Amino acid sequence: DAGVTQSPTHLIKTRGQQVTLRCSPKSGHDTVSWYQQALGQGPQFIFQYYEEEERQRGNFPDRFSGHQFPNYSSELNVNALLLGDSALYLCASSLQGMSQPQHFGDGTRLSIL
Amino acid sequence: GENVEQHPSTLSVQEGDSAVIKCTYSDSASNYFPWYKQELGKGPQLIIDIRSNVGEKKDQRIAVTLNKTAKHFSLHITETQPEDSAVYFCAANAGGTSYGKLTFGQGTILTVHP
Repeated sequence: DAGVTQSPTHLIKTRGQQVTLRCSPKSGHDTVSWYQQALGQGPQFIFQYYEEEERQRGNFPDRFSGHQFPNYSSELNVNALLLGDSALYLCASSLQGMSQPQHFGDGTRLSIL
Repeated sequence: GENVEQHPSTLSVQEGDSAVIKCTYSDSASNYFPWYKQELGKGPQLIIDIRSNVGEKKDQRIAVTLNKTAKHFSLHITETQPEDSAVYFCAANAGGTSYGKLTFGQGTILTVHP
């Protein structure tokens, strides 16, 4: 049973650059959510995609954008990177609907120099 | 929006003892409360969850209790083992238009000493 897979595992960028992170959901799941986890903190919700549309968004600027493909995989894009964007970016997949369990991948560690 | 507070931030127990982690939430519309275990270098792993129509749920050595009136929920681990050492996060999922969004607590570092 393939779980949630994310790529790459690590990434180093410089300020001002842009980055794209990728996520493949668990088999059978149709909804993907993205979270940012700063060191020593709990994950913070960025946004959720279902049926190739952004359904919900957390308190993140427009520099953060995403996409979902017909096969349910997803990308997270961040433009004009800031030092404060350094974090672990987590993807979670689930079925759409109320109170559906979200299953996380191991994340992409993004470091901004 | 929803706010989740988690205590304690660190917890140290001897192998075989019980461990309890507590969380409070602010949004009375929240109706789903998962708990995650995160090991070093890994993503959060769902270990147990509870919905607002249930007061308690148990899975082997792990149990979760929910008090909707007081807006708090707790994780109980019995007969702790060294492999239980990890960071534990509680989360709440509000209903209505926010049902897809999980709000997490700040985490508890659990250390189980052999």
